[in-house]
Amino acid sequence: GEDVEQSLFLSVREGDSSVINCTYTDSSSTYLYWYKQEPGAGLQLLTYIFSNMDMKQDQRLTVLLNKKDKHLSLRIADTQTGDSAIYFCAESLGSGNTGKLIFGQGTTLQVKP
Amino acid sequence: DVKVTQSSRYLVKRTGEKVFLECVQDMDHENMFWYRQDPGLGLRLIYFSYDVKMKEKGDIPEGYSVSREKKERFSLILESASTNQTSMYLCASNLGARSEQYFGPGTRLTVT
Repeated sequence: GEDVEQSLFLSVREGDSSVINCTYTDSSSTYLYWYKQEPGAGLQLLTYIFSNMDMKQDQRLTVLLNKKDKHLSLRIADTQTGDSAIYFCAESLGSGNTGKLIFGQGTTLQVKP
Repeated sequence: DVKVTQSSRYLVKRTGEKVFLECVQDMDHENMFWYRQDPGLGLRLIYFSYDVKMKEKGDIPEGYSVSREKKERFSLILESASTNQTSMYLCASNLGARSEQYFGPGTRLTVT
């Protein structure tokens, strides 16, 4: 079945770059998403990438997609303490689905001052 | 702005009680979802609904039921709460296939 895997924890120093990795299994995924969850809150969409793209950049965020290896990464440049949160990657299923997303376990990003 | 609201942020219930969690979205979205979130397990789909009165089981439906009588409202029901249902419950909605899901703030349920 479909599965999305992430490492559970990443710690970086303020000002460094953070790279959060994700692997997925459904080769027919059309969109891949990155969500951010701050403490005590719901999830907010950070960015997404369409499956026919290799890279997407949005200010401090860079998403890289390697379709051959089914690997997705999120790079946060100049990481700030306000970036401390849980980051989830998610894939949309192939055609015929009803808007379901499959989420990874979430990566907790700790930013040390 | 899309808004998804959940009836309670925190809830404490006793074992065996019937529990209702309510979710309302204001963007006329077709699809609505209920997840539970537990540390290290990510989000697991309990049930989803793709239309009024239509529902499908997700990955962990046991011990839960849902109701969608109106398009904007999706309720999660714990028929007889148990301690292993202590968790964070998140509601989400989206317009259709391959579109972003919008999340509510979550309800942290404790069953004692």
